[in-house]
Amino acid sequence: DQQVKQNSPSLSVQEGRISILNCDYTNSMFDYFLWYKKYPAEGPTFLISISSIKDKNEDGRFTVFLNKSAKHLSLHIVPSQPGDSAVYFCAASETSGTYKYIFGTGTRLKVLA
Amino acid sequence: DAGVIQSPRHEVTEMGQEVTLRCKPISGHNSLFWYRQTMMRGLELLIYFNNNVPIDDSGMPEDRFSAKMPNASFSTLKIQPSEPRDSAVYFCASTLRGSHEQFFGPGTRLTVL
Repeated sequence: DQQVKQNSPSLSVQEGRISILNCDYTNSMFDYFLWYKKYPAEGPTFLISISSIKDKNEDGRFTVFLNKSAKHLSLHIVPSQPGDSAVYFCAASETSGTYKYIFGTGTRLKVLA
Repeated sequence: DAGVIQSPRHEVTEMGQEVTLRCKPISGHNSLFWYRQTMMRGLELLIYFNNNVPIDDSGMPEDRFSAKMPNASFSTLKIQPSEPRDSAVYFCASTLRGSHEQFFGPGTRLTVL
């Protein structure tokens, strides 16, 4: 049973436009969320996070939105650049002790030049 | 800092053989995680350690899988005997307990023929 779901396996966006990557979760106890970015042949790297006490967190071109009632979060990339082409994973955890993150299956983003 | 180091980067073996994957976490980190990435299930947490002690191994798929952390700078994941369905990319990640951000190694791509 996937507690964290990324229903779009892939997404293509034109350079300069907005990329929106979506993530849904089922466990209402999750209260901290991360996005990771992964290039081929590399490990995932941390991108941005959000706590459940917020509904938005912004870092440069990257913004994460959290809708707790819908159990949904999204990552917005504006403007999208070719270097953003990668696989993006969302992950969720309960804030207790060591943070055991549950990851989604990932969305492959391709930004077209 | 060298980051999380994993070896080997690639492993090809035959069904029934023993496979050992190795990980050196970032110095000073006291939590270590083993993940498996597949197309179908994304990034699955297999097991994690705090201060070299296994805390949660509920993600370990079968008794054929075992993990050890004999000291703060080394961990192994062993599969014995290996099966073709174990073919995947295995990641090790480390963090400071209490931190949300996990630092991933480059992964070991395992192919079991």
